[in-house]
Amino acid sequence: KAGVTQTPRYLIKTRGQQVTLSCSPISGHRSVSWYQQTPGQGLQFLFEYFSETQRNKGNFPGRFSGRQFSNSRSEMNVSTLELGDSALYLCASRVTQNDEQFFGPGTRLTVL
Amino acid sequence: AQSVTQLDSQVPVFEEAPVELRCNYSSSVSVYLFWYVQYPNQGLQLLLKYLSGSTLVKGINGFEAEFNKSQTSFHLRKPSVHISDTAEYFCAVSRSGSARQLTFGSGTQLTVLP
Repeated sequence: KAGVTQTPRYLIKTRGQQVTLSCSPISGHRSVSWYQQTPGQGLQFLFEYFSETQRNKGNFPGRFSGRQFSNSRSEMNVSTLELGDSALYLCASRVTQNDEQFFGPGTRLTVL
Repeated sequence: AQSVTQLDSQVPVFEEAPVELRCNYSSSVSVYLFWYVQYPNQGLQLLLKYLSGSTLVKGINGFEAEFNKSQTSFHLRKPSVHISDTAEYFCAVSRSGSARQLTFGSGTQLTVLP
């Protein structure tokens, strides 16, 4: 069974731009969560989607948003990029919200 | 809310020696506990988890952890490490009854020396 896939793997943007990251969960998984990983703040929860609805949200500004499609694929969007948004963005999927999460390899975003 | 403290940011150890990575948590409710490993340029892989039952949990790659409720700890151990165990290890917690949102510790870099 294929694992969680994230595209692109690497991305370079400049301040003020916006970016969209994509996550394809494991087949049959309906929940997708997003995490931000930085050297300074560590791993922080962004949000979780289940059946196309946002179920949980972390403490991030409104510039960070996401959505989930009917096939469970998810995208997250960051608008008006700041230098501090440079991070590894990890996506995790699971069958339901009560199951173990499986992580993808992440998208490395660099903001110049 | 829950929080996790990983007491050591870096742990160097020689190959074939035992290792313990320490994790303490804080929570006002019952919790689930997890250890994840992250190799360079990769995502997180679950090593083991404690949901309920036996406090000694065995995971993959020869790792085990013991849940100690009175000391609010969940330390990770391996009796004999290999070079390939070099990676960053994260302890995580979520409230029990639901494994929705994980709160992670700051991570411990384990470096196995030849």
